[in-house]
Amino acid sequence: GAVVSQHPSWVICKSGTSVKIECRSLDFQATTMFWYRQFPKQSLMLMATSNEGSKATYEQGVEKDKFLINHASLTLSTLTVTSAHPEDSSFYICSASRDRVYQPQHFGDGTRLSIL
Amino acid sequence: EDQVTQSPEALRLQEGESSSLNCSYTVSGLRGLFWYRQDPGKGPEFLFTLYSAGEEKEKERLKATLTKKESFLHITAPKPEDSATYLCAVLFGNEKLTFGTGTRLTIIP
Repeated sequence: GAVVSQHPSWVICKSGTSVKIECRSLDFQATTMFWYRQFPKQSLMLMATSNEGSKATYEQGVEKDKFLINHASLTLSTLTVTSAHPEDSSFYICSASRDRVYQPQHFGDGTRLSIL
Repeated sequence: EDQVTQSPEALRLQEGESSSLNCSYTVSGLRGLFWYRQDPGKGPEFLFTLYSAGEEKEKERLKATLTKKESFLHITAPKPEDSATYLCAVLFGNEKLTFGTGTRLTIIP
């Protein structure tokens, strides 16, 4: 159990394009979903936390107008990178948890975003 | 500031050669410690959760232990398929996971 699906796995697009990434918990209801960014050979950096039906909480330094997060249901969260530029190229990973604190986070397989 | 440090950064072992990976953290209301395995180009795969000092968890060739200042991931008689980056993440009082930078483990046949 505890499968998280992330789509797409790879995106290449031109500068100025907006890109939407989906994260779904397939076999459990996720009270909380998280979005991370990972640079090569570095650890995961939390971008934002979202709870179903409420606004996402963004980490310091993360532009909420650039990275739009929607958590419309207990199984789906989306991250939209608006007007993407080359510096937004990175590996984006979502995770989902049954609760905010004590249950482990289960991760999707990530989305490799390349902006030309 | 709450910090998580993993060592070594990289480890190469012969198949069957047991060893341990370390995760140390500054104490600020530890609520849980999590171990994950990450393969290249993939998201982290959950392995263990530890909540209190003295707790131990086992799964196949892996065993995780926790003290008040650090956690160890012991790997016994590893196989090549155990090669991966092992990540430690700590949940502090602010309810956010803080990840270490990982240990890149390579098992040589």
